Amino acid sequence: AQSVTQLGSHVSVSEGALVLLRCNYSSSVPPYLFWYVQYPNQGLQLLLKYTTGATLVKGINGFEAEFKKSETSFHLTKPSAHMSDAAEYFCAVTHSGAGSYQLTFGKGTKLSVIP
Amino acid sequence: NAGVTQTPKFQVLKTGQSMTLQCAQDMNHNSMYWYRQDPGMGLRLIYYSASEGTTDKGEVPNGYNVSRLNKREFSLRLESAAPSQTSVYFCASSLRGVEQFFGPGTRLTVL
Repeated sequence: AQSVTQLGSHVSVSEGALVLLRCNYSSSVPPYLFWYVQYPNQGLQLLLKYTTGATLVKGINGFEAEFKKSETSFHLTKPSAHMSDAAEYFCAVTHSGAGSYQLTFGKGTKLSVIP
Repeated sequence: NAGVTQTPKFQVLKTGQSMTLQCAQDMNHNSMYWYRQDPGMGLRLIYYSASEGTTDKGEVPNGYNVSRLNKREFSLRLESAAPSQTSVYFCASSLRGVEQFFGPGTRLTVL
């Protein structure tokens, strides 16, 4: 069974500092991996995804993530935090079953950006 | 395109009452999903529908039923609401299941 572990339920960074949100997964087959962002009182929006090919994936709003198979990791980074990045971030791994893919989510990391 | 829409946005129920949460998508997607989100728990899959006419249980199906009314609509029903079902409910849809698109959510409180 797939599982996702996000290290740190809360992360605080100063505006302009590096953002690093950690995600480790377990999967018995090559995974598809995702990062979603949730702003307060809103639904989830896809930030970026890894399916196949290049292991460094770029997403929206300057975020990127690197798939490292040997470390079973898919950490999310952004070189310089902006106040608008304050949100909750979810890492997810997909797996197939009964004719459809299903997502397994991590518990989420709430990012605070300090001015 | 409206994407994925959910109604209602907010709902308060008393224990034992029933209600149906509605979800519709206008992206011609095959697969649809219902999740619940609780603090510190992430999102957990309740039920999903791989295609029109099929439904399957997810991780936390107890206390819920679903109907895939047609390709666009997927409803979630609580027959006898319990306080443990207080949560935020999200509907999602996907063309082939790999990338899912989420609705804005329904905040449900059961007293």
